[in-house]
Amino acid sequence: GAVVSQHPSWVICKSGTSVKIECRSLDFQATTMFWYRQFPKQSLMLMATSNEGSKATYEQGVEKDKFLINHASLTLSTLTVTSAHPEDSSFYICSARDQRLARETQYFGPGTRLLVL
Amino acid sequence: DQQVKQNSPSLSVQEGRISILNCDYTNSMFDYFLWYKKYPAEGPTFLISISSIKDKNEDGRFTVFLNKSAKHLSLHIVPSQPGDSAVYFCAARSYNQGGKLIFGQGTELSVKP
Repeated sequence: GAVVSQHPSWVICKSGTSVKIECRSLDFQATTMFWYRQFPKQSLMLMATSNEGSKATYEQGVEKDKFLINHASLTLSTLTVTSAHPEDSSFYICSARDQRLARETQYFGPGTRLLVL
Repeated sequence: DQQVKQNSPSLSVQEGRISILNCDYTNSMFDYFLWYKKYPAEGPTFLISISSIKDKNEDGRFTVFLNKSAKHLSLHIVPSQPGDSAVYFCAARSYNQGGKLIFGQGTELSVKP
């Protein structure tokens, strides 16, 4: 299947700092990428849909000024958690849709574990 | 409102037997369904999918069945192997919602040797 990478795989930061997470599609182009977060023992919750060259679409309840998304190229989307607080600690996962294949199938990155102290 | 539900949080099966994971949904606009496998601290891995115009799709040991009238789908794994032990998520897509997936809560499968 298609390969999606994320960087960093884990990060620990102090409260009040900003953290940037990168999501890359390695062997395909993706006009659309998705950002999810997962709390322990819970399902994946969609945060936003990232569209190349345009503004992201955020799900209800997700603060767009808190979670900045940039999709500057067909292979890279970034999520920046601004002024992170302990409640932002979570597992963040991105996914990308391979334009060459069935549009419905999303391929996921390995995730980024964020711990805010 | 949980549009996709996996009512069994866990399932334990003996190696070599069949594993059946179930998923129910409420939104009749869903037109594509997917199953993902996930290990702790890793991203989900795509397993198999099915379009709403079909009732069965098979790929090796994995078969997905869709019953549209009951708004129910299931994933069959046969024979089950210890390496299949993981959390399985079903997901559904609505064609009029920009391709985003709605995930169930997940079922943790444990295959015992």
